[in-house]
Amino acid sequence: AQTVTQSQPEMSVQEAETVTLSCTYDTSESDYYLFWYKQPPSRQMILVIRQEAYKQQNATENRFSVNFQKAAKSFSLKISDSQLGDAAMYFCAYRSAGRTGNQFYFGTGTSLTVIP
Amino acid sequence: KAGVTQTPRYLIKTRGQQVTLSCSPISGHRSVSWYQQTPGQGLQFLFEYFSETQRNKGNFPGRFSGRQFSNSRSEMNVSTLELGDSALYLCASSRLAPDTQYFGPGTRLTVL
Repeated sequence: AQTVTQSQPEMSVQEAETVTLSCTYDTSESDYYLFWYKQPPSRQMILVIRQEAYKQQNATENRFSVNFQKAAKSFSLKISDSQLGDAAMYFCAYRSAGRTGNQFYFGTGTSLTVIP
Repeated sequence: KAGVTQTPRYLIKTRGQQVTLSCSPISGHRSVSWYQQTPGQGLQFLFEYFSETQRNKGNFPGRFSGRQFSNSRSEMNVSTLELGDSALYLCASSRLAPDTQYFGPGTRLTVL
């Protein structure tokens, strides 16, 4: 089974600064998707960004961007100009592209604190 | 477009009881997945339904079951509740399978 590892249980960043959250994964598949989800204290999981493994270009969504290193099986999330509303638990997730079904594998999460 | 809804939002049950949780996916979404979230185990996949058929199942005992109706709404049932079943149960829907999942707010189950 695929495994997703987030080695940083907690991170903090000053408001307006930049922070990078790390994620590594283990797979033997060549085609897959990677995601970052955000779970604020309200508990609703929100999709932040998605990356297709076959695309070399790193995905970006406004202040959020990823550094996808396929050979290294690394998928980090960079948050620029951090805002108080970015404070949340961030989960990295993997999904196979080739199989039927939609099973996601999640990391254990990184709790991000934004310091005013 | 309305998001994924889950009912009830909070439940308190006692050991040995059974419980049914409900999930209404985003309109037009045919795939519904269920996850159990606990502080110790994180997010663990329970099962996935697509067009009323169970496509994938996680490593949970048979006490956990689910189903999906023709309107894509899904229910999950846990029988003979144990203390360890206390968790946040998340439902996620997607238009197709595989596809990006969108999550509901969750049902917080407490087993006493």
